[in-house]
Amino acid sequence: GAGVSQSPSNKVTEKGKDVELRCDPISGHTALYWYRQSLGQGLEFLIYFQGNSAPDKSGLPSDRFSAERTGGSVSTLTIQRTQQEDSAVYLCASSPYAQPEGGYTFGSGTRLTVV
Amino acid sequence: GQQVMQIPQYQHVQEGEDFTTYCNSSTTLSNIQWYKQRPGGHPVFLIQLVKSGEVKKQKRLTFQFGEAKKNSSLHITATQTTDVGTYFCEGGSNYKLTFGKGTLLTVNP
Repeated sequence: GAGVSQSPSNKVTEKGKDVELRCDPISGHTALYWYRQSLGQGLEFLIYFQGNSAPDKSGLPSDRFSAERTGGSVSTLTIQRTQQEDSAVYLCASSPYAQPEGGYTFGSGTRLTVV
Repeated sequence: GQQVMQIPQYQHVQEGEDFTTYCNSSTTLSNIQWYKQRPGGHPVFLIQLVKSGEVKKQKRLTFQFGEAKKNSSLHITATQTTDVGTYFCEGGSNYKLTFGKGTLLTVNP
């Protein structure tokens, strides 16, 4: 596609439920990143994919968070047993570069609210 | 671990005044990127700096990368109301990418 597409754009879920966030990167972009941004805060790195593999999972906050990428394209970020502190905007970005050199294109994000 | 500090956290200027935000890393960086995020929007990539002492310009924006590759700055000349937003730096080193917390710029017309 022309840009990075994320869905849903908004998600309200009850505490304890699982949620799945989707990212469709720019076609041909090999690198894909997930970030989290809490209200008024900076960006928190979660995970980075190069193709289907994730060289760096160090940013995942807990084992309730997982992510996968299939076919070198679409990625899903899954949060199990959501907690209120998981409420944030989850941003996906993609890049054509083989290494994480920045210069990404960000999607519009998924605003997750846990009630 | 790698830390990237960005100052100031907030900056309010009158339209026409200059603005500068600074980024400092605890470790030597391979590269540094700058992004702008408008209120309610998502970050948009502005520029990447790679070389020691590098200076790049985009119209009224001037980006610098320090000689030691541990600091960087973004300077806006003669701010306009369209410059409003949060400016983030992001430092990269060995697959590790760290964003600064950003500088929120507001401009009084």
